[in-house]
Amino acid sequence: QLQLQESGPGLVKPSETLSLTCTVSGGSISSSHYYWGWIRQPPGKGLEWIGSFYYSGSTYYNPSLENRVAVSVDTSKNQFSLKLSSVTAADTAVYFCARHDFLKWFDPWGQGTLVTVSS
Amino acid sequence: EIVLTQSPGTLSLSPGERATLSCRASQSVSSSYLAWYQQKPGQAPRLLIYDASSRATGIPDRFRGSGSGTDFTLTISRLEPEDFAVYYCQQYGRSMYTFGQGTKLEIK
Repeated sequence: QLQLQESGPGLVKPSETLSLTCTVSGGSISSSHYYWGWIRQPPGKGLEWIGSFYYSGSTYYNPSLENRVAVSVDTSKNQFSLKLSSVTAADTAVYFCARHDFLKWFDPWGQGTLVTVSS
Repeated sequence: EIVLTQSPGTLSLSPGERATLSCRASQSVSSSYLAWYQQKPGQAPRLLIYDASSRATGIPDRFRGSGSGTDFTLTISRLEPEDFAVYYCQQYGRSMYTFGQGTKLEIK
């Protein structure tokens, strides 16, 4: 059974870079036709897709975030990562990683990790 | 960007009743590329419905998705206690995925 687990610092200072990792178990991140994505949810609010990538290197991002976002992959560790630069309090959220086919639904999801932006 | 608007914001019902949740898109969702998720406090969203009307693996048949174009509906035929949660719709017809703001289904 495929499982995803987010990890990373729970507290980031304003203007710094948020870095998270998603570790995939029960399947290979290099599986053909699957994409891997990041979604976030501010406390008490709805869901926002951040960006996705394909293991071969193709990436695409939410236009509202693309100038601050980078997603990368480490196939040797079966992990992928998110970097979000110049964070502000508005970036405080639970960050989820998830698998999806291209232009398809997200399933499964990781349990999520809360990142708070505060000095 | 396709904006999804869910209604109502909160729905108060009793176990055994029927729930009807709406998701309206600002423009047509191609090929009915719409999903529904259930989220309980402290948990990740759980896929219920994809392609507007197909149930995900393990989802009870009391959950039914319908609709096309700009209007979609999630119907829960007989509410069980575990169904009280927040429900989100999501479109994936363009290379920019968007979610609705959610409908909270609470016990009356």
